[in-house]
Amino acid sequence: KNEVEQSPQNLTAQEGEFITINCSYSVGISALHWLQQHPGGGIVSLFMLSSGKKKHGRLIATINIQEKHSSLHITASHPRDSAVYICAVGAGTASKLTFGTGTRLQVTL
Amino acid sequence: DAGITQSPRHKVTETGTPVTLRCHQTENHRYMYWYRQDPGHGLRLIHYSYGVKDTDKGEVSDGYSVSRSKTEDFLLTLESATSSQTSVYFCAISEPGPDTQYFGPGTRLTVL
Repeated sequence: KNEVEQSPQNLTAQEGEFITINCSYSVGISALHWLQQHPGGGIVSLFMLSSGKKKHGRLIATINIQEKHSSLHITASHPRDSAVYICAVGAGTASKLTFGTGTRLQVTL
Repeated sequence: DAGITQSPRHKVTETGTPVTLRCHQTENHRYMYWYRQDPGHGLRLIHYSYGVKDTDKGEVSDGYSVSRSKTEDFLLTLESATSSQTSVYFCAISEPGPDTQYFGPGTRLTVL
């Protein structure tokens, strides 16, 4: 079973700061997912990646397959980025995911 | 947003009663999943379905059963609810293989 570790567990930043959230996993994967969960509960998929880097607006996700590590970066953070960010990995056919426990981010003015 | 609804959104029930949660999709995605989310744990897979009448167990399936008689509906049943099943339950959908999963809004279940 894949183990997924996220760090930090909690993160507080000021508006405008560059933020990095890390995810490590123990077993080879076919895809890694980053998800966002706002207070109130809705879960939204941000990225799915299996190599390299993806960018969407102020969000950037990178993955290093050899090191079994991924990072999610937020540039120019804003209070609306406050949420829990969840890393998940899939192996084999990758339909079944293993999830990390999440990183709670609070961005203050 | 993917068309996924869950019902009910909130439920309070008593220990020993049966409970059925419904997930409904309008996206015609083949795969459907039930997860539970508890403090201190990541989302954990209860059961999933890879097609009509095709289901399989996840990592925390004890005490739960599922059924999928139509592509659009995936039901999760707690035959005899226990307090340990108090949780937030999420349904998700995807296509086969490495694919983005789309989540429903969640059902908060409290078992007294």
